Amino acid sequence: EIVLTQSPATLSLSPGEGATLSCRASQSVSSYLAWYQQKPGQAPRLLIYDASNRATGIPARFSGSGSGTDFTLTISSLEPEDFAVYYCQQRSNWPQTFGQGTKLEIK
Amino acid sequence: EVQLVESGGGLVKPGGSLRLSCAASGFTFSSYSMNWVRQAPGKGLEWVSYISSSSSYIYYADSVKGRFTISRDNAKNSLYLQMNSLRAEDTAVYYCAREESYGSGSYPGCWGQGTLVTVSS
Repeated sequence: EIVLTQSPATLSLSPGEGATLSCRASQSVSSYLAWYQQKPGQAPRLLIYDASNRATGIPARFSGSGSGTDFTLTISSLEPEDFAVYYCQQRSNWPQTFGQGTKLEIK
Repeated sequence: EVQLVESGGGLVKPGGSLRLSCAASGFTFSSYSMNWVRQAPGKGLEWVSYISSSSSYIYYADSVKGRFTISRDNAKNSLYLQMNSLRAEDTAVYYCAREESYGSGSYPGCWGQGTLVTVSS
């Protein structure tokens, strides 16, 4: 099973600042990696697929990069609605797995 | 409008059984693979099971293999998860999620709102 390790566990920032979230895989997942955003009481929402492509309707301030084992989700300038938990997920191998999440909180 | 509505959750004793359902609408259900993903209270996401559009391919997480069974009825636009021999650690919100093809891969792109399963004596 491929283990995804996200860092940091919690990130405290202010609106308008940039955010960088990391996801590291225990073995190569090529580019078969997605990022999800989840707000309290809501289902996850797909943000990024294939490591660097924004899903439909996702604002341009969200971008993804990386391949192999190291991936990054970048939010260029935080809006109040961006404070949430973010998960990475790999679809390279079965079972598909999720990272443990990064909580992005308001400083 | 695409909708996925889970039902069937509730309180069950350890060792008991429960059957979850996911009613799909607003799209051609028979054309999509589906997933069940769960989230224990205050915890992260855990993929549970996958079924292809025609039920030809089925996969389970090791944590539920042999206890849970995924199935679907394309005529009824419904997805199911039969859960047997339930344990306290199965307590979670269970989401159904539609698999969507993006670029080179496919990912759970559309999710229901979830149904809570609580396993407790």
